[in-house]
Amino acid sequence: AQTVTQSQPEMSVQEAETVTLSCTYDTSENNYYLFWYKQPPSRQMILVIRQEAYKQQNATENRFSVNFQKAAKSFSLKISDSQLGDTAMYFCAFMRITGGGNKLTFGTGTQLKVEL
Amino acid sequence: DTEVTQTPKHLVMGMTNKKSLKCEQHMGHRAMYWYKQKAKKPPELMFVYSYEKLSINESVPSRFSPECPNSSLLNLHLHALQPEDSALYLCASSQDYGTGGLGEKLFFGSGTQLSVL
Repeated sequence: AQTVTQSQPEMSVQEAETVTLSCTYDTSENNYYLFWYKQPPSRQMILVIRQEAYKQQNATENRFSVNFQKAAKSFSLKISDSQLGDTAMYFCAFMRITGGGNKLTFGTGTQLKVEL
Repeated sequence: DTEVTQTPKHLVMGMTNKKSLKCEQHMGHRAMYWYKQKAKKPPELMFVYSYEKLSINESVPSRFSPECPNSSLLNLHLHALQPEDSALYLCASSQDYGTGGLGEKLFFGSGTQLSVL
């Protein structure tokens, strides 16, 4: 079974600063995908970024980028130029490719607060 | 249209009631999911439908009964629930590329907040 660990239950950052959220995972699979989702107070889960395990290049989406270290099974999220709207719970997630609808396993989450 | 619509947004029910949660998407996705999320916890997978067939049941109690009438609709029928079943129920959908290697992005609805009295 896959496990996803987020060791930072809460973090805070000043507006316009950069913050990095940590995530590690455990799997014996070679082909899989990793995701970061955010869940603001509205509780809607919003996809932030996706990384394919077979790609060495780190994914980026505007102010969001990841540091994917496959050998270390580490997948951190960097948020640059933090904005108040980034305040949310951030979940790291692992997806094993099986077909028939793929199972997404979430970490325990990091509550990020962006402050003025 | 990149939305997953869930109704109702809030539901209060007694332990003897029967109710249903509804989820709809018009993105042509062929996989649909039910997740349960307790406060301050990550979502936990309950069921997955792929091409309108149940493909994953995470050992969910039979008081939860999923149904996929067509490729756009997903229901969750509730009967004889317990207070500990109170939670946010999230629906999601994705393309289903099989084992072709494309990791699907799941699109989530905004959830139904369920309270069982």
